[in-house]
Amino acid sequence: EIVLTQSPATLSLSPGDRATLSCRASQTVTSLLAWYQQKPGQAPRLLVYDASNRATGIPARFSGSGSGTDFTLTISSLEPEDFAVYYCQQRHNWPWTFGQGTKVEIK
Amino acid sequence: QITLKESGPTLVKPTQTLTLTCTFSGFSLSTSGVGVGWIRQPPGKALEWLAFIYWDGDKRYSPSLKSRLTITKDTSKKQVVLTMTNMDSVDTATYYCAHRSVAPPALAYWGQGTLVTVSS
Repeated sequence: EIVLTQSPATLSLSPGDRATLSCRASQTVTSLLAWYQQKPGQAPRLLVYDASNRATGIPARFSGSGSGTDFTLTISSLEPEDFAVYYCQQRHNWPWTFGQGTKVEIK
Repeated sequence: QITLKESGPTLVKPTQTLTLTCTFSGFSLSTSGVGVGWIRQPPGKALEWLAFIYWDGDKRYSPSLKSRLTITKDTSKKQVVLTMTNMDSVDTATYYCAHRSVAPPALAYWGQGTLVTVSS
């Protein structure tokens, strides 16, 4: 099973700051990695798929990069609605797995 | 417009079998490349894959839960059913179903989730 390790666990930032979230895979997932945003009481929302492709309707301030084992989700300038938990997920091998999440909180 | 909705019991007793139904609209589960999966999330914890079924009937299960899970589909009823046997308190979680298409090849649509509590 591929283990995805997200860091940091918590990111304390202010609106307007740049957020950089990391996801590291225990073995290569090529580019088959997605990022999701989850707010309290809501289902996850797809942000990025296949490492760097924004999903429909996702603002341009969200960008994904990386391949192989190291991936990054960048939020260029945090908006108030961006404070949430972010998960990475791989579909390279079954079982597909999620990371443990990074919480982006207001500083 | 694609929508999914989970339904089933909110409370089950230990050792009982849980049956959850995902009723969807806006897509066909007979379309090549399409699939529906189940994911759960214990309170305050991370997401966990449970099972997935493809348009062609191929099924995938979490290895750690495989012996307890069964996923089936009824294409005409637009439903996917998950059964989990021998429920325990550690299975208390919000259970989500989600749709995966070819474009994008990710879980672009999710149900609202249903909280299942396991308690005697």
